[in-house]
Amino acid sequence: DIVMTQSPDSLAVSLGERATINCKSSQSVLYSSNNKNCLAWYQHKPGQPPKLLIYWASTRESGVPDRFSGSGSGTEFTLTISSLQAEDVAVYYCQQYYGSPFSFGQGTKLEIK
Amino acid sequence: QVQLQESGPGLVKSSETLSLTCTVSGGSISNYYWSWIRQPPGKGLEWIGYIYYSGTTIYNPSLKSRVTISVDTSRNQFSLNLNSVTAADTAVYYCARKDVSGSFFDYWGQGTLVTVSS
Repeated sequence: DIVMTQSPDSLAVSLGERATINCKSSQSVLYSSNNKNCLAWYQHKPGQPPKLLIYWASTRESGVPDRFSGSGSGTEFTLTISSLQAEDVAVYYCQQYYGSPFSFGQGTKLEIK
Repeated sequence: QVQLQESGPGLVKSSETLSLTCTVSGGSISNYYWSWIRQPPGKGLEWIGYIYYSGTTIYNPSLKSRVTISVDTSRNQFSLNLNSVTAADTAVYYCARKDVSGSFFDYWGQGTLVTVSS
């Protein structure tokens, strides 16, 4: 099974500043057939379902603000929020879909400093 | 806009079977995979399994011996049965749609809390 590990577990960033969340997989999630990384990012707010932000490691879901971006390849990935807004307070999860069982990171709690 | 809504008992007794249904509206259940994902209190997300509209299933091996996911295309619904539950199965259960291009999840239900009591 592929284990996903996020860092840090929690993060406090000032409004307007950059937030960076890291995700590492226990093995490469680069799919050779299409040369894409099978890595997604979700935003999860209390009382709401998770919301898909990014897939294929760097493709933004329709409607997601462009301050959210994803990068990385192989085993190391990053979610960046370029200018933190108050509504971005949430827990963020990465998920690998390279192989079953599909697995999530433990989550990173993002707060306002 | 596709919408998903979970329904079922919020309280299940230990050793019994947890049963939930997800109703899909705003779109057809056909031609997609549909999934169950859960989140125990204070913990992360765990993928349980998914089913194609034709009935093909893939389960998480950690739960495979206790899980059955089924689909009813005539009602635009799919269901989860988890047997022999324990307190460790207490969680918010989400239904979700798998995207056509990869096994990530683009539409989610609101989630329903199921508590296993002794």
